[in-house]
Amino acid sequence: AQTVTQSQPEMSVQEAETVTLSCTYDTSESNYYLFWYKQPPSRQMILVIRQEAYKQQNATENRFSVNFQKAAKSFSLKISDSQLGDTAMYFCAYRPVYNFNKFYFGSGTKLNVKP
Amino acid sequence: GAVVSQHPSRVICKSGTSVKIECRSLDFQATTMFWYRQFPKKSLMLMATSNEGSKATYEQGVEKDKFLINHASLTLSTLTVTSAHPEDSSFYICSARDWGQGERNTEAFFGQGTRLTVV
Repeated sequence: AQTVTQSQPEMSVQEAETVTLSCTYDTSESNYYLFWYKQPPSRQMILVIRQEAYKQQNATENRFSVNFQKAAKSFSLKISDSQLGDTAMYFCAYRPVYNFNKFYFGSGTKLNVKP
Repeated sequence: GAVVSQHPSRVICKSGTSVKIECRSLDFQATTMFWYRQFPKKSLMLMATSNEGSKATYEQGVEKDKFLINHASLTLSTLTVTSAHPEDSSFYICSARDWGQGERNTEAFFGQGTRLTVV
């Protein structure tokens, strides 16, 4: 069975500092996608970053980058130069490449960016 | 990114009444939409997969007679909570898939969510 685990229910970081959110997953599939979604107080889910499992290079989007360790089934999100607007719930998600209907979400990490 | 609009954003209804939530894809055709329920401080729970022109596929434990899903067009899916009770109070989120080319077809695009309160 596929599962996604986020072991940090809540984290805090000072503005301008760097924070890393952890995510592990379990799957028997060899090809899949991993995502980090952000849910700010407005509740709108926004894609932060996406990683394809067959790509070894870690994805990067401006201040957001991932550390994808396929063998360890780990997919952490690093936020550099944290901003107040980064305050949100962050969900790690997994989806097999050939089954779009099955998005598996972690339980989420509440990130508080402090001024 | 693609735009998915969900309406209403908030609704309060009386126990025993029905309420309809709409999910529209504004700039792409969505043959498949998904309905999630999110409890406070919890993750998203997939309720059902809505397919244009056919019956929805419900996840185990979700009452299909209570949560009616209609996907009559390529841009609109509706979720109707029938005979609502206070325990149905929750945050409901829809998402849609863009079957177009490129990276857009790998991710899910989410609506803004609907806060349902049954009193």
